[in-house]
Amino acid sequence: DTEVTQTPKHLVMGMTNKKSLKCEQHMGHRAMYWYKQKAKKPPELMFVYSYEKLSINESVPSRFSPECPNSSLLNLHLHALQPEDSALYLCASSQDGGAAFFGQGTRLTVV
Amino acid sequence: AQSVTQPDIHITVSEGASLELRCNYSYGATPYLFWYVQSPGQGLQLLLKYFSGDTLVQGIKGFEAEFKRSQSSFNLRKPSVHWSDAAEYFCAVGIQGGSEKLVFGKGTKLTVNP
Repeated sequence: DTEVTQTPKHLVMGMTNKKSLKCEQHMGHRAMYWYKQKAKKPPELMFVYSYEKLSINESVPSRFSPECPNSSLLNLHLHALQPEDSALYLCASSQDGGAAFFGQGTRLTVV
Repeated sequence: AQSVTQPDIHITVSEGASLELRCNYSYGATPYLFWYVQSPGQGLQLLLKYFSGDTLVQGIKGFEAEFKRSQSSFNLRKPSVHWSDAAEYFCAVGIQGGSEKLVFGKGTKLTVNP
C-alpha cells in the first residue's frame, strides 16, 4: 500500500476562518511533508516532519501551522489566510532516504 | 545553488511515437533523482527514482530514465506513448538525501495526439 490520504479534497474558506487540512499514511514512513502548488507551477516545500518533529520550515508565514500528532498523521492548521494562499496543498511521506509518495492534494480557495 | 532544469515546457507527440523528456540538474554531491507525473488537479505519482547503481532505471507504466553524470542529466523515455500518458511531468532532485528536501523542475506538459 503506497497510499497517502488527504482530506478534504476541496476547501473554500473565508479570510477570517480557521480550518485544518489532514493527511494520513500507513506505510510506516517516518518523514512527512507539506507542499504548496500554485497553478502551472511545481510544488514548493513548506514543512518537513521527521520522526514526528518539525525538521524543516521553509520560512512559511505563521498563518500556516503544521502539527504531527503521531507517526501516521499530519495536519496543517490554517488561520487568517489571504486569497493568494489559494493553491493545491500536497502531503507526502517517505522512508529515511527513500522516495516521497504524494497524496491527491487539497484544493484550497480563500475568498 | 541546487537546481533542476526541464528545457521543454510543452511537448506534443503522436500516440505510438517514442518520447524523451529532458532533465538537467545542478548539484555538487551524488544526486537523488526522481520523475513524477501529475494529471490535472491530481497529486504527484512517482514514476521512477535513481539513488545509485545501474544508471538505467525502470519505472512504472513502461517509463525508463538514464542517469548521465558527465552531462548532469536524467532524461525520461518511453518507447511508445499512449493517450493516457498526457499529463505534466516533473523531474526532481533530493538535496538532503532521499526525499528530505526535493527541488523540482518547472515541469513539461505532454500532449498526445491521436
